[in-house]
Amino acid sequence: EAQVTQNPRYLITVTGKKLTVTCSQNMNHEYMSWYRQDPGLGLRQIYYSMNVEVTDKGDVPEGYKVSRKEKRNFPLILESPSPNQTSLYFCASSMDKNTEAFFGQGTRLTVV
Amino acid sequence: AQKVTQAQTEISVVEKEDVTLDCVYETRDTTYYLFWYKQPPSGELVFLIRRNSFDEQNEISGRYSWNFQKSTSSFNFTITASQVVDSAVYFCALSVRFNFNKFYFGSGTKLNVKP
Repeated sequence: EAQVTQNPRYLITVTGKKLTVTCSQNMNHEYMSWYRQDPGLGLRQIYYSMNVEVTDKGDVPEGYKVSRKEKRNFPLILESPSPNQTSLYFCASSMDKNTEAFFGQGTRLTVV
Repeated sequence: AQKVTQAQTEISVVEKEDVTLDCVYETRDTTYYLFWYKQPPSGELVFLIRRNSFDEQNEISGRYSWNFQKSTSSFNFTITASQVVDSAVYFCALSVRFNFNKFYFGSGTKLNVKP
């Protein structure tokens, strides 16, 4: 089954404790992105990747890092999480430019 | 600059009513793509439709229909004979040719369909 898989689905952590949210897709897509969803703001792009080793900032990259060492994986790293990073996070992949994105199930992160 | 506006924050209807969700977009790019996604209470985002800027034909898929009007920069979504299972948050999104890595999302419209 074609899918984008994120882990974990839920995470509660403390301020400053490094964490990684994993994202993996099995569709051989070149394009992958991370978004955060906050009430009243819709989804905002954090980082995106056009291919292996090619990443760039989206609208809200501060406090986040990403890497794309393999085509299928695109982990999101929070080196020192803060409470304002409490949000619902989505990983997405798409086959080509301007095609629809397939989203993971979401990761609900709470930083206390 | 690109922008998507969904002015309706929340809509409540009774089952079997028709409902239209509005989406207004802004872009100066002549080649762009419009999308609708559904986010049910379980939280995942489900793709519904993609439309490019050169295709203004309306589309119907079962109880769902979409009205794309370039003259008013709108891409509205109508659900006919709504059902409780249609209850969800619906997002309209835009991508443009020269920044194809990014989706610009509206803030979403929460649809409540009551039995």
